[in-house]
Amino acid sequence: GAGVSQSPSNKVTEKGKDVELRCDPISGHTALYWYRQSLGQGLEFLIYFQGNSAPDKSGLPSDRFSAERTGGSVSTLTIQRTQQEDSAVYLCASNTGPGNIQYFGAGTRLSVL
Amino acid sequence: AQSVTQLGSHVSVSEGALVLLRCNYSSSVPPYLFWYVQYPNQGLQLLLKYTTGATLVKGINGFEAEFKKSETSFHLTKPSAHMSDAAEYFCAVQYGGSGYALNFGKGTSLLVTP
Repeated sequence: GAGVSQSPSNKVTEKGKDVELRCDPISGHTALYWYRQSLGQGLEFLIYFQGNSAPDKSGLPSDRFSAERTGGSVSTLTIQRTQQEDSAVYLCASNTGPGNIQYFGAGTRLSVL
Repeated sequence: AQSVTQLGSHVSVSEGALVLLRCNYSSSVPPYLFWYVQYPNQGLQLLLKYTTGATLVKGINGFEAEFKKSETSFHLTKPSAHMSDAAEYFCAVQYGGSGYALNFGKGTSLLVTP
């Protein structure tokens, strides 16, 4: 079966533009996580979805960041009015529920010029 | 709060030599601990995990790690390095909040020289 799929693999944008990053989790996985990997901060948790429950947004760094998950499957991470410090690799992971092994996608490398 | 510290952002070993990547954790309760590997332009791949039970955990590609509660450590080892082991390695602790999201160390880049 397919793993976690993320698109695009690379995204270059201008400062101030909005971007959308997509994550397609493994089929049947109810939990989905977004992480950010940057040179200065390492790997940071951003947001967590479990089924149709309200997401845990405790890791989002600012209100410019938002995410949704439609139908309990595909998720979109949106960054509004991008800043240079948003440049990072955004990783998505999914699993069958809290406490189980998380499987990661290859990530989206975002470059804000 | 649970956190991990990886000692050494870069480690270099010769092919065939012992690999030792250090990880110490800070946790008020027994943690779940993980080692992930990341090859260039790829996502994270699980090497091994410790939850409960046997403290010596064997993973893929010949790697193993030992959970030492008294030292709050979970160091990763491999007896003989291969060129293909060159990658970034991350130690992580799983905490109960946020659906058991992972709290990662800063990572250690392993270089294997001929």
